[in-house]
Amino acid sequence: DAGVTQSPTHLIKTRGQHVTLRCSPISGHKSVSWYQQVLGQGPQFIFQYYEKEERGRGNFPDRFSARQFPNYSSELNVNALLLGDSALYLCASSLQVGDTEAFFGQGTRLTVV
Amino acid sequence: QQPVQSPQAVILREGEDAVINCSSSKALYSVHWYRQKHGEAPVFLMILLKGGEQKGHDKISASFNEKKQQSSLYLTASQLSYSGTYFCGTELSGAGSYQLTFGKGTKLSVIP
Repeated sequence: DAGVTQSPTHLIKTRGQHVTLRCSPISGHKSVSWYQQVLGQGPQFIFQYYEKEERGRGNFPDRFSARQFPNYSSELNVNALLLGDSALYLCASSLQVGDTEAFFGQGTRLTVV
Repeated sequence: QQPVQSPQAVILREGEDAVINCSSSKALYSVHWYRQKHGEAPVFLMILLKGGEQKGHDKISASFNEKKQQSSLYLTASQLSYSGTYFCGTELSGAGSYQLTFGKGTKLSVIP
């Protein structure tokens, strides 16, 4: 079975631009969460979606938004990119909300110049 | 509400044991443990729900002390493959949503 897939794997953007990151969860998983991981730190929670509805939001500015599609894949959008947005963006999928293991994708490495 | 992990780093020789601790100042509902190798995605190790349970998987086990809001990960007879950064992720009681807050990680290096 395919694991969590994220695209693209690497991305370079200029300050002020917009970026869209994509995630396909494991087949049968209905929950997708997004995390930002800065080098040397643990993943920081951005959003969680379950059955196409937002179930949790971390402490990130409104420049960050996300959505989940009927096939449970998800997009993370970031507007007006800042240098500080440079990080590894991880997507995790799980069967349900809470009490369950989450499987992480390989991530998208975003560099803002 | 970020959990505090200790130690920050540890170096072991193959066969030695290690304990990694994860403490929270808030009441916890669950603790999740992950291992991340350089350049790779975090890999799930185990989840502990409140109730003071202890779990084990091969030579890696963990406990959750609900009274102290603390979890410990035990690695026995370490192998080279255990090297990586270990993260605990905590879910708060009554949070109303599934949100994991990760610690800064513990870097474990196992040498021959």
